[in-house]
Amino acid sequence: QSALTQPASVSGSPGQSITISCTGTSSDVGTYNYVSWYQQHPGKAPKIMIYDVSDRPSGVSNRFSGSKSGNTASLTISGLQAEDEADYYCSSYTSSSTLFVFGTGTKVTVL
Amino acid sequence: QVQLQESGPGLVKPSQTLSLTCTVSGGSITSDSYYWSWIWQPAGKGLEWIGRIYASGSTTYNPSLHSRVSISVDTSKNQFSLRLSSLTAADTAIYYCARDLGRAHFDYWGQGTLVTVSS
Repeated sequence: QSALTQPASVSGSPGQSITISCTGTSSDVGTYNYVSWYQQHPGKAPKIMIYDVSDRPSGVSNRFSGSKSGNTASLTISGLQAEDEADYYCSSYTSSSTLFVFGTGTKVTVL
Repeated sequence: QVQLQESGPGLVKPSQTLSLTCTVSGGSITSDSYYWSWIWQPAGKGLEWIGRIYASGSTTYNPSLHSRVSISVDTSKNQFSLRLSSLTAADTAIYYCARDLGRAHFDYWGQGTLVTVSS
């Protein structure tokens, strides 16, 4: 089971919106609405930002939103802030024996 | 507030077996709503799921590590543990424990523990 494909880096200016893509296959993203997104600041543990494609845990800013189309899931960050600069990983349930697969990770830079 | 804390050696020798423990506080490991997972992150790289355990002791492992990994639970101590055998330098990573809701949804994570495999 290969990792889900994410762009290596995405950047934007404060206040702008950015979108991070996460491309899988019909064995994972394309079939199951079990896609999560994690934010990881340097030296810190990942923090869940989105689960089940588009649901936000309590306490997560509504500037973060998730969606899915076909085999590709997306995370959109609106009103970009300096504190959003971090690495972001998607994850999906998969029908393969791996059970869960993570994305390759995207470094978000706030210009 | 649920908290998870990894513990174990920071340095292990090649060919040896790594043992890590995750202590759960603020909630019971026997809750039937959750699994308990181990996830690792090699230096400068992405996340990879290692495996998980249910309070009953039922386990599921990533096939890429299946032959070398074992996860166990001690409900009396509210802990679960990871054993990874036949270590090589490629196993050098940060190891995280996490609460697993079963849908690629890991809602609580430990702070992570760096394990270096070196002689």
